Amino acid sequence: GQNIDQPTEMTATEGAIVQINCTYQTSGFNGLFWYQQHAGEAPTFLSYNVLDGLEEKGRFSSFLSRSKGYSYLLLKELQMKDSASYLCAVKGVGGTDKLIFGTGTRLQVFP
Amino acid sequence: DGGITQSPKYLFRKEGQNVTLSCEQNLNHDAMYWYRQDPGQGLRLIYYSQIVNDFQKGDIAEGYSVSREKKESFPLTVTSAQKNPTAFYLCASSRGQEYYEQYFGPGTRLTVT
Repeated sequence: GQNIDQPTEMTATEGAIVQINCTYQTSGFNGLFWYQQHAGEAPTFLSYNVLDGLEEKGRFSSFLSRSKGYSYLLLKELQMKDSASYLCAVKGVGGTDKLIFGTGTRLQVFP
Repeated sequence: DGGITQSPKYLFRKEGQNVTLSCEQNLNHDAMYWYRQDPGQGLRLIYYSQIVNDFQKGDIAEGYSVSREKKESFPLTVTSAQKNPTAFYLCASSRGQEYYEQYFGPGTRLTVT
């Protein structure tokens, strides 16, 4: 079966660092995406990992371990505008571009 | 500017009526997708299309229909057979190749009473 797990909610303080974990069990693996979604808006692309290791992009970094079926999104120097849901999505195999989404992690940043 | 448009932003319908949600992209993407998002749930795939005149059912296709007559357009019809149609509907597109992300439209919030 296909399963992607993320914590439902997290809270953090402005200026701090937060790590959002994602574990997956899918039939095949062809990359993992992180998206940010503010309430009532469209998801926007944050990062893509297909090989093991850390990808850094400004304040955001994403890590992947394929052998453990595990990824995390690291947000540094948190700002109030980072309050949003963070969606983990896995692309399987099979010649299609389909993504399997987790339920998302709602992050609240407090001053 | 290139992007994906969905209209309308909010849509209200009476139970028993079919309704069509619009999705247009000018990114020259081959692949297009429709997702449904409910509170506390992840995005669930309704239908997807990798090329014009071809589309495939996703995980929750029952009660929905689509067409892909043009590369730019992928309308979704929510039929009266869909038992719980009230939801936030998101359209996305991508280049259809392995390493490219999906771009999402702004979404349509459908309320059926």
